[in-house]
Order: sequence, then C-alpha cells, then structure tokens
Amino acid sequence: GDSVTQMEGPVTLSEEAFLTINCTYTATGYPSLFWYVQYPGEGLQLLLKATKADDKGSNKGFEATYRKETTSFHLEKGSVQVSDSAVYFCALSDTGRRALTFGSGTRLQVQP
Amino acid sequence: GAVVSQHPSWVICKSGTSVKIECRSLDFQATTMFWYRQFPKQSLMLMATSNEGSKATYEQGVEKDKFLINHASLTLSTLTVTSAHPEDSSFYICSATQHRAMNTEAFFGQGTRLTVV
Repeated sequence: GDSVTQMEGPVTLSEEAFLTINCTYTATGYPSLFWYVQYPGEGLQLLLKATKADDKGSNKGFEATYRKETTSFHLEKGSVQVSDSAVYFCALSDTGRRALTFGSGTRLQVQP
Repeated sequence: GAVVSQHPSWVICKSGTSVKIECRSLDFQATTMFWYRQFPKQSLMLMATSNEGSKATYEQGVEKDKFLINHASLTLSTLTVTSAHPEDSSFYICSATQHRAMNTEAFFGQGTRLTVV
C-alpha cells in the first residue's frame, strides 16, 4: 500500500538557517504530493503541493520538487524564521483516492 | 481558505463512556469528510470516509460499531467513540473537501485529543 516516510524531528535551527526536511513515498499509482503545516493549537494547513513528476510546489519561501526517479518530495527553505516553528507533514493522495496518506510529521523549532 | 472547526479540542473521559467529536465546515458545504487518528510520534491514519447522506466507509481494521460516524448535513460530521477504553486515547482530526472532483484541497480541523482514564 501507499506510505510516506519523513525525517524524524525535532529539527532545531537558528533563524536564517537553511532548512531541508526529507520525504520519500511509495505509491501504486500516480500520486499528488503535499506538504501540510500545523502551527501550535491550529489545524493542518496546506503549505504546497505538486501533482505530477518534476512539478515544483512553492509557498511562503518553501519549495518542494516532485522527483519520481527518487520517489521524493523534500521540503526546503533558504532562510527560516522563528514564525516557521511548527510541525510539517508530508502527504500523498494516490490516483482515484482523495484521502491522504501522511508521514509522521517533523517538528521544526527555529531559535532567534 | 475555507474553515473547518472541530470540537472539543480536548476531552478526558472515564473508561466505558462514549464521547462525541464534531467537525463543522463553517463557510462551505462539505460533501465528503475524512476522519484520521494519530498516535504519538506516528502518522495520521485514515479511519473512515463519510459522504453526506450515506454510510461511512471504514478503513480496514477500524471497528465501525466502536467509531460511529454520522454525516447528516453538508456542514457537520460527528465521530462518536463508544464505550471508550484507554487504548482509544489518541489525537483525532477531521478534514473536509468541497466537491466530488478529484484533487480538491482538504481543509483540516484543529484536532481533538482524547484521553480515556
């Protein structure tokens, strides 16, 4: 079945540092890939998505590229801010299925 | 974006009692809602899919008689954990989509942390 594996946290960075959160997936069809973010006390919010191979999703300075050859969708940001502190979830939606398969989440803590 | 409100955000109940969790779409009609469960340091796992006006579809291994799902209107779905036990303690989160079309964005509630003592 489908699965998503993302790096374990917590990840602790200083402000303005470069961020990478790794995410790899297995799927039987042609999935769409997503990154969701959950700020403390809030629900999950869609951060970015990519629906086909080589697509790049981007939002708020975050980027992720759909790499079919490596089945990966790593999240990157060039310069993190304290306000980026949150839990980040990688997820996929496989062909014909609107429910999401999630990774375990990675907590990011950015220090001033 | 659209707002999904989930209530309560946390609940503590005694073993053997039932707990109801509500999931509301505040500014859109949700034809489909999904219920997920998350154990500590693990993924969110899909429990069931509910479509307005029809029976929920449960994932393999999820007891439908224990986790009762009702989606009686286009803005409300409820999950009732019946005869709760400590092993049911978990984080439950719902999401809703607006249309039946594929790849429509899912909007999530804030989640409910259930502790059964």
